[in-house]
Formats: sequence, structure tokens, C-alpha cells
Amino acid sequence: EAQVTQNPRYLITVTGKKLTVTCSQNMNHEYMSWYRQDPGLGLRQIYYSMNVEVTDKGDVPEGYKVSRKEKRNFPLILESPSPNQTSLYFCASSLRRVAGGEQFFGPGTRLTVL
Amino acid sequence: QQQVKQSPQSLIVQKGGISIINCAYENTAFDYFPWYQQFPGKGPALLIAIRPDVSEKKEGRFTISFNKSAKQFSLHIMDSQPGDSATYFCAATGAGSYQLTFGKGTKLSVIP
Repeated sequence: EAQVTQNPRYLITVTGKKLTVTCSQNMNHEYMSWYRQDPGLGLRQIYYSMNVEVTDKGDVPEGYKVSRKEKRNFPLILESPSPNQTSLYFCASSLRRVAGGEQFFGPGTRLTVL
Repeated sequence: QQQVKQSPQSLIVQKGGISIINCAYENTAFDYFPWYQQFPGKGPALLIAIRPDVSEKKEGRFTISFNKSAKQFSLHIMDSQPGDSATYFCAATGAGSYQLTFGKGTKLSVIP
């Protein structure tokens, strides 16, 4: 089944404790992206990757890191999480640039930073 | 700076009625306008999309109307059903862009 998977689905952590949210897609997509969803703010892009070893900042990159060492994986790293990073996070992938087609979203990771 | 403005924030419609969600954009370089549907506990999924070379696109009960001169586009859901209850996001992007700019979302509730 073609899909985007994220792990963990739920995470409660404390301020300053490094964490990684994994994202994997099995559709051989070139483009991958991370979004955060907050009430009243919609979906905001954190980082995106056009291909292996090629990443760029989205609209809200502060406090986050990403890497794209393999085509299928695009982990999101929070080196020192803070309470304002409490949010619902989505990973997405698409075959090509977004204007060319559909983005497929993962099921989401709900993160709480205490 | 919000580049895509979406309204209303929430919408309650009677079963069988028409749901209308509006979006406006500022960037004239945008040339692809998708709508995403999100059910509780799920990721968004593409519902329907339009390019500015057409003024309307229809897929089943869902229609996008596009007004290029006004820089506005809207989603119409005909014969709304309780199963349509979800959050709807409009979005926009431009040729060559890797970024999809989303509106803030509209929570639709269709009551029996």
C-alpha cells in the first residue's frame, strides 16, 4: 500500500530533551516536506526536501532540523524542544514539485513539550 | 504575511444544503490551487484542484470556482452530507515552487 508513515504518533517530552520524528514514504517520491498544524493557524511548512541531500527552509524553520540521506526517509529533529513546539506535525511527499501534483500526507504526530 | 486568506473559520450546514468556502490570494505568481480535506485524526488528503486557465472544475458534488481577476477561488459542496464533515484547507503554489501555502482551514459540520 502506498503510504507515508510517521513515528511516533504521540509523544510527550520535556523541555530540552532532543527528539526525532521519523517519516518514511514507499512511493519513490522526490519531494518531501514537514508541516505543523496549530488551531487557527492552519498548516505551516517547516522544511522541505527536493531530493536526497537537498533541503530548504519553509515558513517556520526555527528550532527544527532535517536530513535527507535516503530518498524514502525525511526525519524531523528537535535538538532542544520548547513548549511552543507543542503541535500536530505532518510529513508529506509528492512525486514532483507541488504544482505538478498531489501531496500525500502522513497520519500525523502529536507532540507535547512540557 | 498570510498569502492565502480562507473564510469562514467554521460552517454549519443542513444535510442536503450547499456548503461554500472562500479563499483569496495575493501572489499573482500562484497558478495551482488545490483543496485538501482532513478528517479528525487523519492527515489532509487532496480533494480537488484547479489551474487558472479554467473558471470552474467539478468532481461529483465538489466544485471549484475560480475568479482570476479578483484573485479568489471557492469550494462548493452540493447536497452536503454528514460524511462531508471535516476541515477543508485551500492552498496555492506557483510554477517551479516547492512550497504549498495553505489557508487557515474551515471546519465544516453537516447536521442531519
